[in-house]
Amino acid sequence: KNQVEQSPQSLIILEGKNCTLQCNYTVSPFSNLRWYKQDTGRGPVSLTIMTFSENTKSNGRYTATLDADTKQSSLHITASQLSDSASYICVVSGPGQAGTALIFGKGTTLSVSS
Amino acid sequence: DAGITQSPRYKITETGRQVTLMCHQTWSHSYMFWYRQDLGHGLRLIYYSAAADITDKGEVPDGYVVSRSKTENFPLTLESATRSQTSVYFCASTPSGGYNEQFFGPGTRLTVL
Repeated sequence: KNQVEQSPQSLIILEGKNCTLQCNYTVSPFSNLRWYKQDTGRGPVSLTIMTFSENTKSNGRYTATLDADTKQSSLHITASQLSDSASYICVVSGPGQAGTALIFGKGTTLSVSS
Repeated sequence: DAGITQSPRYKITETGRQVTLMCHQTWSHSYMFWYRQDLGHGLRLIYYSAAADITDKGEVPDGYVVSRSKTENFPLTLESATRSQTSVYFCASTPSGGYNEQFFGPGTRLTVL
């Protein structure tokens, strides 16, 4: 069964600290992997999209890594800010057209405190 | 403003009533999607549309109806609302092509009493 598992379910860190969120998937065949940020009461916003051949992709203080062999991805947040408090969703795409085969993880809720 | 909008943002209705959630995008994206988001679940696809007058079922289509007469609009109708349809509904759009980013609307929080 195609699944996307994220860990931890929730995380609390102090402002300025780094953190890493994990995503394991069993989707096959694999097309691409996306990380989204969802602020409370808003829709998800894309942070990164990586294909099979990409190992690392950065977007400001956000760096995503992908190991297609072990089917694992991580999202590293550097020097966290209060505005990083949100849910982070890992999404894996199979071979369907235009994202119709997207499998969504349940998300990791990150709280950054001062 | 350009982008993707949803209306209403909040809706309370009663069991058995018909309710329509609206979605409008200004980018002329070919593909549009409806998802629901519930605690303990990831986003789940209800219906999607590849172009005007072309729609298809997603993972959880039962109890929902969609139409797409114009490229920019993709309404979702609950023909006879049930309590299990209490959820947050997100509309999304993307240009054609599987690699493209999906752009999400702000969501509609629907409560069925």
